Amino acid sequence: AQTVTQSQPEMSVQEAETVTLSCTYDTSESNYYLFWYKQPPSRQMILVIRQEAYKQQNATENRFSVNFQKAAKSFSLKISDSQLGDTAMYFCAFMKRTGNQFYFGTGTSLTVIP
Amino acid sequence: GAGVSQSPSNKVTEKGKDVELRCDPISGHTALYWYRQSLGQGLEFLIYFQGNSAPDKSGLPSDRFSAERTGGSVSTLTIQRTQQEDSAVYLCASSLTSGAYQETQYFGPGTRLLVL
Repeated sequence: AQTVTQSQPEMSVQEAETVTLSCTYDTSESNYYLFWYKQPPSRQMILVIRQEAYKQQNATENRFSVNFQKAAKSFSLKISDSQLGDTAMYFCAFMKRTGNQFYFGTGTSLTVIP
Repeated sequence: GAGVSQSPSNKVTEKGKDVELRCDPISGHTALYWYRQSLGQGLEFLIYFQGNSAPDKSGLPSDRFSAERTGGSVSTLTIQRTQQEDSAVYLCASSLTSGAYQETQYFGPGTRLLVL
């Protein structure tokens, strides 16, 4: 079975500062995908970034980047130059390469303080 | 529309009544998923449709829950004899099944269900 753990229920960061959200997962699979989704108060789940496990290079999308440590089964999200619009719930998710189901963590509520 | 749409956005019902929740996936997406998000929780997988294949119903919590997908597009999630513990946000997602980024799921805005 796959499990995803987000150990930080709530975090806050000053506007323009950098924050890192933690995610660990447990799997016996060698090929899989990892995702970070953002869910603002509007409830719309928005894909932030994705990582393919067979790629060693960490994914980046503008101000968002990940630190993917496959051996440690860790997949943290770094948000640089935080903006007020980054305030949201952030979910880490795992999917087997041969599967179809997402396994989600319980989320981290991030508040960006002006 | 360009994204996944769901209706209604909010639904209030009385315990024991049946409800139907609708999902319109992104055009061309053959895979469709339903999830349940209870207050303060992550997303719980309910059911998965892929083309004309038999759906994966492994996440449905009880036989009061069912879903269908007509014509490979629109899906309806039905909850019969609703209970208060069914109160949650029900999210639908769709994805491609071939090509680049086929595994990425795109979510609708959800339906917030409140059972009184």
